[in-house]
Amino acid sequence: RKEVEQDPGPFNVPEGATVAFNCTYSNSASQSFFWYRQDCRKEPKLLMSVYSSGNEDGRFTAQLNRASQYISLLIRDSKLSDSATYLCVVNNAFSGGYNKLIFGAGTRLAVHP
Amino acid sequence: DGGITQSPKYLFRKEGQNVTLSCEQNLNHDAMYWYRQDPGQGLRLIYYSQIVNDFQKGDIAEGYSVSREKKESFPLTVTSAQKNPTAFYLCASSARDRVLSAEAFFGQGTRLTVV
Repeated sequence: RKEVEQDPGPFNVPEGATVAFNCTYSNSASQSFFWYRQDCRKEPKLLMSVYSSGNEDGRFTAQLNRASQYISLLIRDSKLSDSATYLCVVNNAFSGGYNKLIFGAGTRLAVHP
Repeated sequence: DGGITQSPKYLFRKEGQNVTLSCEQNLNHDAMYWYRQDPGQGLRLIYYSQIVNDFQKGDIAEGYSVSREKKESFPLTVTSAQKNPTAFYLCASSARDRVLSAEAFFGQGTRLTVV
């Protein structure tokens, strides 16, 4: 089983739609969680961190369910510019502050007019 | 400006050759990582390092080697033992002392092609 699993998509949605991505992780000791965005042939960039209580940044909402080892990202009012691949990232931190960032394979989103 | 720089952007390698990909950061980050990405796939961890003179194998370390002689630098050598090296290679760094907010910053990547 992969350490971080995502639905690969693609998700094809019209502008203005609401779309949700899910991610599961296998290590119950994982410390922190993130969503990254990657445009075609570019490097990934941080979209948002995911906090235990859930957090929102404009049209984007991230949720974490530690009991189910599940992370989600909700995008409201989709824009054409949201078209990208969204990567779920889990930090399996070790004692002493060591980090090991594990990336999911990504979910591709295509927003059309 | 602080950031992480990879070079070259494009690299062509003949079969049987070793090549070294450069990664330099001036963010004062302790942790550095190398990932490989194949078309339509996610990032797979090759090697990572938390401090100078120390590094750990990731999930696909075979055929690769690294060094961490300076905090700022984490070069990756793709050896002739790597059977299928054509891929997009990404270097990243993060702050070690912010475990719960270990945002990774990426370089722009190196596209390696075997000819």
